Amino acid sequence: KQEVTQIPAALSVPEGENLVLNCSFTDSAIYNLQWFRQDPGKGLTSLLLIQSSQREQTSGRLNASLDKSSGRSTLYIAASQPGDSATYLCAVRTNRDDKIIFGKGTRLHILP
Amino acid sequence: DTAVSQTPKYLVTQMGNDKSIKCEQNLGHDTMYWYKQDSKKFLKIMFSYNNKELIINETVPNRFSPKSPDKAHLNLHINSLELGDSAVYFCASSPWDSYYEQYFGPGTRLTVT
Repeated sequence: KQEVTQIPAALSVPEGENLVLNCSFTDSAIYNLQWFRQDPGKGLTSLLLIQSSQREQTSGRLNASLDKSSGRSTLYIAASQPGDSATYLCAVRTNRDDKIIFGKGTRLHILP
Repeated sequence: DTAVSQTPKYLVTQMGNDKSIKCEQNLGHDTMYWYKQDSKKFLKIMFSYNNKELIINETVPNRFSPKSPDKAHLNLHINSLELGDSAVYFCASSPWDSYYEQYFGPGTRLTVT
């Protein structure tokens, strides 16, 4: 059974710092992996999508990597800003069945 | 039995029309979702809905509206279709308050001409 884990559960860093959020999954048979952002009281916003054949994707200050064989993905945020404060979730889409499994998220707080 | 089903599988229509896509789940789940997948397979959540709360992604135009006749169904209505609405739309469901594990339908490929 696919399980997705995100570490740390919460993170506070001063504004301007670069940071890395981690995501691990137990079954490497994935179709793709996606990073989302959730702001309080709002739905999920898609950030980056990495197909199983890809190693990384970049969008602005965000870079996501995927190491399928080791079951890991990282989300790198450069030059963090207070507006980056949110919960970040990774989700894997499985090959074996029509499911998306989410991690429980990392709650990020950027200190002004 | 299919856990999450969608109809139709393909939908071709002209700009300006109003159309609906139906979704049904037989898993007894309390929360249902609609996603839009773009040409790069990017999955964007549009709505999440349970019998208590509808969460709408703020980027979704108000031409899109979910309608839930009962807990097992969440239909997607689209008014005044535009070319940019062409995409694959996925319905999903999960146990209440547990979006961590979502079961997806097979998708509906919408083409607006």
